[in-house]
Amino acid sequence: GAGVSQSPSNKVTEKGKDVELRCDPISGHTALYWYRQRLGQGLEFLIYFQGNSAPDKSGLPSDRFSAERTGESVSTLTIQRTQQEDSAVYLCASSQDRYSYEQYFGPGTRLTVT
Amino acid sequence: GQNIDQPTEMTATEGAIVQINCTYQTSGFNGLFWYQQHAGEAPTFLSYNVLDGLEEKGRFSSFLSRSKGYSYLLLKELQMKDSASYLCAVSGSARQLTFGSGTQLTVLP
Repeated sequence: GAGVSQSPSNKVTEKGKDVELRCDPISGHTALYWYRQRLGQGLEFLIYFQGNSAPDKSGLPSDRFSAERTGESVSTLTIQRTQQEDSAVYLCASSQDRYSYEQYFGPGTRLTVT
Repeated sequence: GQNIDQPTEMTATEGAIVQINCTYQTSGFNGLFWYQQHAGEAPTFLSYNVLDGLEEKGRFSSFLSRSKGYSYLLLKELQMKDSASYLCAVSGSARQLTFGSGTQLTVLP
């Protein structure tokens, strides 16, 4: 497919465990964004990549959250020692470059921490 | 920082016109976006305004006034499938999007 894909689509984990979420952007898109959406709320910006560098990490809520990107392709968002407040849908988006205004969103990963 | 306000809920009737307002306060401005999000799905892009004025795209139009920090999304000839959450988002100086909490629109028959 030509769209942004994310895996897994759903993840249930126990409090204290680490989780890794994956995003495959649209081929050729150099900019990649991670957002979090809690139930009934708007999207909260977490981090963005231009290529494989992350010039803006200001949105990461704590040092338990980290992200990396290999080349201009796959990105992973890692949450260590998960807490119940981490339960949310994690959305990834990509755009052609950081100056392109349209971001294309993936279907998201629904994370539930029990 | 950035602050974006939009109504939480709106209800309208099929075939009618509805206007969803959004006000924002931002440090740096690189455009205002509207996204549509159906329940359980990813947001989809509707419109982008960077200059003052009205942008029309079919049944949807979006307006921006930068001096007032104000935008609205106008939906005409409402259809049942337009029932969704409408997200206002501002691109700041670092170009990441800051989203409002969304306006849940319910279209009634």
